[in-house]
Amino acid sequence: DSGVTQTPKHLITATGQRVTLRCSPRSGDLSVYWYQQSLDQGLQFLIQYYNGEERAKGNILERFSAQQFPDLHSELNLSSLELGDSALYFCASSPSGLMNWRNTEAFFGQGTRLTVV
Amino acid sequence: AQSVTQLDSHVSVSEGTPVLLRCNYSSSYSPSLFWYVQHPNKGLQLLLKYTSAATLVKGINGFEAEFKKSETSFHLTKPSAHMSDAAEYFCVVSEGFGNEKLTFGTGTRLTIIP
Repeated sequence: DSGVTQTPKHLITATGQRVTLRCSPRSGDLSVYWYQQSLDQGLQFLIQYYNGEERAKGNILERFSAQQFPDLHSELNLSSLELGDSALYFCASSPSGLMNWRNTEAFFGQGTRLTVV
Repeated sequence: AQSVTQLDSHVSVSEGTPVLLRCNYSSSYSPSLFWYVQHPNKGLQLLLKYTSAATLVKGINGFEAEFKKSETSFHLTKPSAHMSDAAEYFCVVSEGFGNEKLTFGTGTRLTIIP
């Protein structure tokens, strides 16, 4: 158990709908990362938050947004869903968002499997 | 820009024989390198990491990797494969210094033959 909790584990929804994925980081970790894993794109970095503020942005669509709350949990909001958004969405946390990874590592949750029908 | 290339999408070995999963990286800086493992329907677990200390890195479950700057490689090895090693393995790079994201390779699926 990594200590990172993602809910829900599975989600099935229709095209055009909006969903919210939730991530609780490990206790004390300030940084949260979101990744998308799909068969055709592999594991893609979406966005990073550090202590409530956006730190880095990757291949995140404009239909997607995220935030990190004062208690450090994070939510990823996916709207106007398309069939191609079906994927496994991972959240990871790390102790800090310092400018290098040399003294830290990322701990991944079990993921939320989103199926858009 | 940082990237990793996993040279084999699928590797099959017999139980008890050595494992070699190959990874080449590209980075503008001295990167941190990681190997993660993903078992079916599970999350990602860190096997080992290189962060500019010893070039030979030992990880969990008997795995190790060697950082070779001249070859820009970070291959993962294990002397003797177990059935429980069957999983997807990802080589990962992070440049740091303002680029903290983890960039994943496309993965290598390891199959263990009984």
